[in-house]
Amino acid sequence: AQKVTQAQTEISVVEKEDVTLDCVYETRDTTYYLFWYKQPPSGELVFLIRRNSFDEQNEISGRYSWNFQKSTSSFNFTITASQVVDSAVYFCALRNDFNKFYFGSGTKLNVKP
Amino acid sequence: EAQVTQNPRYLITVTGKKLTVTCSQNMNHEYMSWYRQDPGLGLRQIYYSMNVEVTDKGDVPEGYKVSRKEKRNFPLILESPSPNQTSLYFCASSLTSGTLNYGYTFGSGTRLTVV
Repeated sequence: AQKVTQAQTEISVVEKEDVTLDCVYETRDTTYYLFWYKQPPSGELVFLIRRNSFDEQNEISGRYSWNFQKSTSSFNFTITASQVVDSAVYFCALRNDFNKFYFGSGTKLNVKP
Repeated sequence: EAQVTQNPRYLITVTGKKLTVTCSQNMNHEYMSWYRQDPGLGLRQIYYSMNVEVTDKGDVPEGYKVSRKEKRNFPLILESPSPNQTSLYFCASSLTSGTLNYGYTFGSGTRLTVV
């Protein structure tokens, strides 16, 4: 069975705090792809990052960083020095080699000024 | 600009009145899919299509129909909408090439209310 779990339903932080959004996945496939999407209050879904199962390198993009660990089946997302504009719902997703997507239930991040 | 275009953005309709939500992509993507998003349930797949004339059920297909007569278009049809189909709907497309597996490009969403 394939599954993506985002245990944090909602997180509130004060601006400039660092925050980590957790994502744990289950799959028996050896080839798979992991994604993070952002859904701001306006509602659209914005692609943030893609990782394939053979690439465990961490990635940093500005204030965003991602930690992929196959040993713990986790693909966590950290925002450094959070800003109000980071307030959104964040979805983690897994895509298997048969092009089936599995989405987590999302984590709502509230960044307060 | 590469994009997935959904229309309409907002729709209020009455129970039983057939409606179609259109979805069109300009990226020559093979794979297209429809999702509905409900509070606490995340994104659930309704139908997907691997290519022209190839469609298949997702996790919650009841009450919906789709067609894929052209590569760029993938309309979602509600033959007899009911209030439990009130939701936020997203169309998405992607490539399906094997070695470079891209994520979805999503449409802007359609907020449907059935009264």
